[in-house]
This record gives sequence, structure tokens and C-alpha cells, in this order.
Amino acid sequence: DVKVTQSSRYLVKRTGEKVFLECVQDMDHENMFWYRQDPGLGLRLIYFSYDVKMKEKGDIPEGYSVSREKKERFSLILESASTNQTSMYLCASSLGGGHGNTIYFGEGSWLTVV
Amino acid sequence: GQQVMQIPQYQHVQEGEDFTTYCNSSTTLSNIQWYKQRPGGHPVFLIQLVKSGEVKKQKRLTFQFGEAKKNSSLHITATQTTDVGTYFCAEVGSNFGNEKLTFGTGTRLTIIP
Repeated sequence: DVKVTQSSRYLVKRTGEKVFLECVQDMDHENMFWYRQDPGLGLRLIYFSYDVKMKEKGDIPEGYSVSREKKERFSLILESASTNQTSMYLCASSLGGGHGNTIYFGEGSWLTVV
Repeated sequence: GQQVMQIPQYQHVQEGEDFTTYCNSSTTLSNIQWYKQRPGGHPVFLIQLVKSGEVKKQKRLTFQFGEAKKNSSLHITATQTTDVGTYFCAEVGSNFGNEKLTFGTGTRLTIIP
């Protein structure tokens, strides 16, 4: 089974702090994604990556950056956390390369910014 | 980005009743996927629809893709408490041959025992 692991399930951070959310997948997937989920808004794509050191902006990239130094790891960075970034963050991966596009999600990271 | 509208946002049904959620797009969809998220959990892939007019079944769940590929539906017959959760449709877009999903807003299903 595909395993997508998010290192932190629950975090509380202060406004202005730099926040790192880490995600690791163990299936050698090409594609990795970061979504945030908010009530009534569904899942919105923040950033995605199709390869190591490659990144593409999703629909709501403002206030976020990402890093993909290794194939299995995709990190989401909040440079200066704000209260409107309180949300659940979901990391996901897929095989990519035209071989399959089912997306596998991690358990989610609940971030509260106070 | 692509707008995929999903209705209703919430649905409460008596156990045993049927349930349907709809996804609509203003443009033609290439493929559409459906996911289920249990309370406190993460979205899990259910199915993908590719062809115009396609109908697929998984036990009590029936998935349809519209003839014009602009809408899709998920119908659950005789709901059970295990069906509780939020159901999302997702448009599968292509970016240089790699897939990117744009999710609908989801329909949250609660079951009254």
C-alpha cells in the first residue's frame, strides 16, 4: 500500500513564525501535492511538484513556498504564519508520468495560528 | 483555476434512504474522479470516470459521467451508517502529461439512524 506520511498531525504556531510541514511518500511517486482544506471550500491546491527540485503554483500559493530536494519528500513552508492560514493541510502523491493518476493522501496536518 | 461546483453542500438522510451528489462544470471535463473522506480522516480514491455517458457501480454506489462530460453524479442506494463522510468529485487536468486534480467543494453526508 502507498504510504504518505505527514510528520505533524497537530501544530499550534504564533503569528509571524516560520512553519514547516513535512511530507514523505514511500512509493517512488513522481508527483506530490499540497492542499489545504477548509469548511465549505473543499480542497484547494497550494503547490505541486512533478519532479525533484521542480515546483508549480497551484490555485492559492500566496503566503506559501515549497521544497522538493528529494523525490520522496515534499515540504510546505509558511514564511510568516498568519491566522488565515489556520487550516488542515493535506499532502498527496501520485505515480505520474502518464502511468496512473490516482492521488493518495496523507493523514493531514491541523495547523492553528494564534 | 477550473471551477467544479458540487451540490448539495450538506445532506442529512435517514438510514436506508438514497443519496445523490452532483458535480457540474462550465467546461468539458477530461476525466473525473470521486473521493470519500470519513470524519477525521483523509480523502480516499473511489473511482475514475473517463468516457462520455460512462456508468460504474461499486456495490450500492453508482457513478455517472454526463454525455457532454460536463457533469457527474454519485448515487448511494439504501444508505448505511458506514456511508457517513464527505464525498468529493475532482476534475483531472493534464499539465505536460502529468495529472493535477481540482476538487469540488464536497457534499457532507450524515445519516440519521
